[in-house]
Formats: sequence, structure tokens, C-alpha cells
Amino acid sequence: DQQVKQNSPSLSVQEGRISILNCDYTNSMFDYFLWYKKYPAEGPTFLISISSIKDKNEDGRFTVFLNKSAKHLSLHIVPSQPGDSAVYFCAASARGGAGGTSYGKLTFGQGTILTVHP
Amino acid sequence: SAVISQKPSRDICQRGTSLTIQCQVDSQVTMMFWYRQQPGQSLTLIATANQGSEATYESGFVIDKFPISRPNLTFSTLTVSNMSPEDSSIYLCSAYLMSRTDTQYFGPGTRLTVL
Repeated sequence: DQQVKQNSPSLSVQEGRISILNCDYTNSMFDYFLWYKKYPAEGPTFLISISSIKDKNEDGRFTVFLNKSAKHLSLHIVPSQPGDSAVYFCAASARGGAGGTSYGKLTFGQGTILTVHP
Repeated sequence: SAVISQKPSRDICQRGTSLTIQCQVDSQVTMMFWYRQQPGQSLTLIATANQGSEATYESGFVIDKFPISRPNLTFSTLTVSNMSPEDSSIYLCSAYLMSRTDTQYFGPGTRLTVL
């Protein structure tokens, strides 16, 4: 049972344009969502997160949008740079509500390979 | 952020042997976890490493196959026992920091190949 799904295995974007990576989830208990970037031979690096009490969180070139009714979140990268080329993982946890600190386990999607062409 | 290191970074092992992977964090953490990433797959949680008590294993993973130790707040080991080629994966440790409890940080991973 895949509770977190990234349906696009890969995405190719031109440098300077917007990259949009999508993620869907099925478990209604998930209340905290994270995006990680992973380069080959390295561990995942945290990018940005969002709590279920928000619908948008922005950090520089990265913005995450959450649509709870659709159980869908997306990561926008604007403008995309060649150094952004990596595998992007969406992850979700059930932390126990707003401000919860249950140090929830992460459930990961399958990942999307992003390639940004110069 | 934190620096999480793992040893070894990679290894090639023979079927039937065991390998112990070490994970060291440079600051005190609350929770530590072990994940597996099989070729072409996502990250799957193996277990939560609890300090001073037995690890908590996810469905499909057992202590006899993946014994875990966590003797203090900054160190943990994962042993892959009686290995078979199906155990060939990247094994990653991760942790929540005491200073930032909303984000898991990951080590660089250990790439294991079993012949």
C-alpha cells in the first residue's frame, strides 16, 4: 500500500523556467510534509516542509503548496538551475496535530528525477 | 543542520556473512532511524533506534535479521545478518535534532552489495 505517491518518475525543464513536482497521499493522519533532494552517492538533503495548518510555505526559490482536500502537495522551483538536477522525494508524517512533537516516522514517495537543462 | 556520518560508505560482502554499519551524529539527537533504499526504489523505514531499549521494527523487518544498537544519544549501529543478494541496498541512518525537532536529517548512506 503506497501511502505517498509521486506519479512522475522524471521531469525535464529548461534553465530559468519553473519546475513543478507533484505528490499525492492517502493517509488522512499525515499532518506534516517534507521535500528532500538527493544526489547520487549522498543522503537526502532537507529542502522545505509544510504543516497541515498551512497551504503554502516559501523559502527562496522553493515553494510548497498543500491541498488537503485533494490530499495533494507540490513543490515549485523558480527559477530552475542546472544544480537543481537531482532526485526529489516527498515525505509525510503523522505528528499529532498542530504543534505536535511526536517525532513522526517518515513515509516517502518513489521520487522524481529532475533534470534542468542549461 | 547536523553532520551525520556513516561507516563504511560502501562494502561488497559474501552471501551468509554479516555487516555492521555505524552512524555517528555530531550533536545530541532525540530519535534515530534506519532506512533502506533498494535499487530504483524509495526509502523504506527499517526501525527506530531507541536509546537504552530495544529498537522498534517496521512490518517486514525483524531483529534477528537487522539487530540495532544505540548505546548513547549520538551513535547507533545496524547489522545486516546472514546476507543474501536481496539485501543489496543503500542503508541510511537519520535523526531528529534536539535543536530542531521538525526535520529528519540523513547520513550519506552505506552502499552494500552482496554477492
